[in-house]
Amino acid sequence: QVQLQQWGAGLLKPSETLSLTCGVYGGSFNGYYWSWIRQPPGKGLEWIGEINHSGSTNYNPSLKSRVTISVDTSNNQFSLKLSSVTAADTGVYYCGRRGGSWTAYYYVIDVWGRGTTVTVSS
Amino acid sequence: EIVLTQSPGTLSLSPGERATLSCRASQSVTSSYLAWYQQRPGQAPRLLIYAASRRATGIPDRISGTESGTDFTLTISRLEPEDFAVYYCQQYGSSSFIFGQGTKLEIK
Repeated sequence: QVQLQQWGAGLLKPSETLSLTCGVYGGSFNGYYWSWIRQPPGKGLEWIGEINHSGSTNYNPSLKSRVTISVDTSNNQFSLKLSSVTAADTGVYYCGRRGGSWTAYYYVIDVWGRGTTVTVSS
Repeated sequence: EIVLTQSPGTLSLSPGERATLSCRASQSVTSSYLAWYQQRPGQAPRLLIYAASRRATGIPDRISGTESGTDFTLTISRLEPEDFAVYYCQQYGSSSFIFGQGTKLEIK
């Protein structure tokens, strides 16, 4: 059963760059899109973007100017960088797997990481 | 851009009762791209329903999804204690995922 394990800095100052990585264990890495989703405290879910094993990306238009998602296929990992953070970027960040195109789960996030809490404060 | 509006914001019910949660899309959407998730406190979301009405693996049959035009409904026929959580609908479109704002299902 595939599992996602995520890590990265949890406390940032305004204007710094958020950096998180998600490792994929126990399942195939190729053939899927890998996503980042975030959740401000007490609020709903916001999709940030995704990447596949070939490096093809899709981003949320509202965050695109500050987001870079990259992939490391040799280690079955993908990473998120969000630049120029402010307090509004505080929240829990989840990594997730979009279902394979050959499955009925292609348009959903079917596997989720446990989340990493990121706080932006001066 | 499609907007998903969920209602009510909070639903207060007792175990054993029936819960009906709504998700309305601002424009016509493809039902194949509509999903529902459950999020318990302190946990990651969990996929419940995909393609508007199909249950994900391991989801009990007391949880169901239906559609009518741009209106999508999640129904839990007999509430169990573990069902009290926040529920989100999600639509895929234009290479993006969009989530509704959520409905909190709380114990009355």
